[in-house]
Amino acid sequence: QKEVEQNSGPLSVPEGAIASLNCTYSDRGSQSFFWYRQYSGKSPELIMFIYSNGDKEDGRFTAQLNKASQYVSLLIRDSQPSDSATYLCAVLPSGAGSYQLTFGKGTKLSVIP
Amino acid sequence: DVKVTQSSRYLVKRTGEKVFLECVQDMDHENMFWYRQDPGLGLRLIYFSYDVKMKEKGDIPEGYSVSREKKERFSLILESASTNQTSMYLCASSSEAGEGTGELFFGEGSRLTVL
Repeated sequence: QKEVEQNSGPLSVPEGAIASLNCTYSDRGSQSFFWYRQYSGKSPELIMFIYSNGDKEDGRFTAQLNKASQYVSLLIRDSQPSDSATYLCAVLPSGAGSYQLTFGKGTKLSVIP
Repeated sequence: DVKVTQSSRYLVKRTGEKVFLECVQDMDHENMFWYRQDPGLGLRLIYFSYDVKMKEKGDIPEGYSVSREKKERFSLILESASTNQTSMYLCASSSEAGEGTGELFFGEGSRLTVL
């Protein structure tokens, strides 16, 4: 059973701080990793993806991947109240014909003004 | 922009009714998915389709069926609705190639209540 684990939170950070969201996965062969943001009452939307070990930056967001430790994280710099949402980590297995993302249950982030 | 449209935002049905949830995407995506989302359980895949007339079971297919007669349309069918199928249903699509399969575009969701 492929599993993706996230701390459910809530994670509370003050406005302007760095929010750190973490995710571990069980399938060592996984190759592609995704972060989705879901506002309350809305659908998930993709905000970042990462395929290679290391860091990937996009504006205030940085995704970090460590395949040896089976660990992926999302850092949000200069957190804003508008970042308050649930963040879902998702993992795609390797291999041809892999279509089925495995989602974590999400971490709820609250950014306090 | 990719648009995934779900036909109904809110539905209330009676136990035993047949329920159809429709989803249409306008980006010529090969892959389409149906998830349900419940508090504490996260997103769970019901069925997906990687081509017209093709379908694959996800993690929780029991009680559901799907239909994909055209590339842009993917329907979820509850043959005989039960109260434990009360949930938020999310349709999504993605392109074919490699990692692109993980870049899902979601519809707005259909909240189904079965009484």
